[in-house]
Amino acid sequence: QVQLQESGPGLVKPSQTLSLTCTVSGASIFSNEYYWSWLRQHPGEGPELIGYIYYSGGTYYNPSLKSRLTISVDTSKSQFSLKLNSVTAADTAIYYCARVRKQLVRTYFDYWGQGTLVTVSS
Amino acid sequence: DIQMTQSPSSLSASVGDRVTISCRASQTINIYLNWYEQKRGKAPRLLIYATTRLQSGVPSRFSASGGGTDFSLTINNLQPEDFATYYCQQSYSTPYTFGQGTKLDI
Repeated sequence: QVQLQESGPGLVKPSQTLSLTCTVSGASIFSNEYYWSWLRQHPGEGPELIGYIYYSGGTYYNPSLKSRLTISVDTSKSQFSLKLNSVTAADTAIYYCARVRKQLVRTYFDYWGQGTLVTVSS
Repeated sequence: DIQMTQSPSSLSASVGDRVTISCRASQTINIYLNWYEQKRGKAPRLLIYATTRLQSGVPSRFSASGGGTDFSLTINNLQPEDFATYYCQQSYSTPYTFGQGTKLDI
């Protein structure tokens, strides 16, 4: 079955770069029906879309984070990655990777990683 | 960005009850509306997509309706495993946005 797994440091210092990787198994990252996304969730809130990437490298970034954000894909490893620079305490959240099916009304997040807590603190 | 507003924010119910959760979009989103369930410490799980379509493996006691700006999720015959937080999410335009959640508890 489709599985996604986030990995990366759980603690990042303010002003530094948050880096996470998502490893995909049980599904081809090459599929033309799916994009690969990052979301985050602050305590007590709904998830927030950070951005997503297509296997060919095309990206969408949430405008609220765009200036600090890079999402990349490594198809040889079935992985995609997130880099968010100049982090502050406001970036402390649970970060999820998820698969996005994008087909008109059939556009949704159907498989998610378990999530990883990233804390920004000195 | 399209704002999604859910009501109520929390809801108390009992096993066997029927509950309805509402979701309103700040502008029309046609039927581009999905529902997720999230249990404590877990990732969200897709329940319903395109307003009314049940995701594979989701029990038939879950149903949903709506269109335009107003949507609802109904759970019939509540089971103990249904006590969770529910989120609506629009996929009409980027950035896709979620509601603030409705916590369903006993």
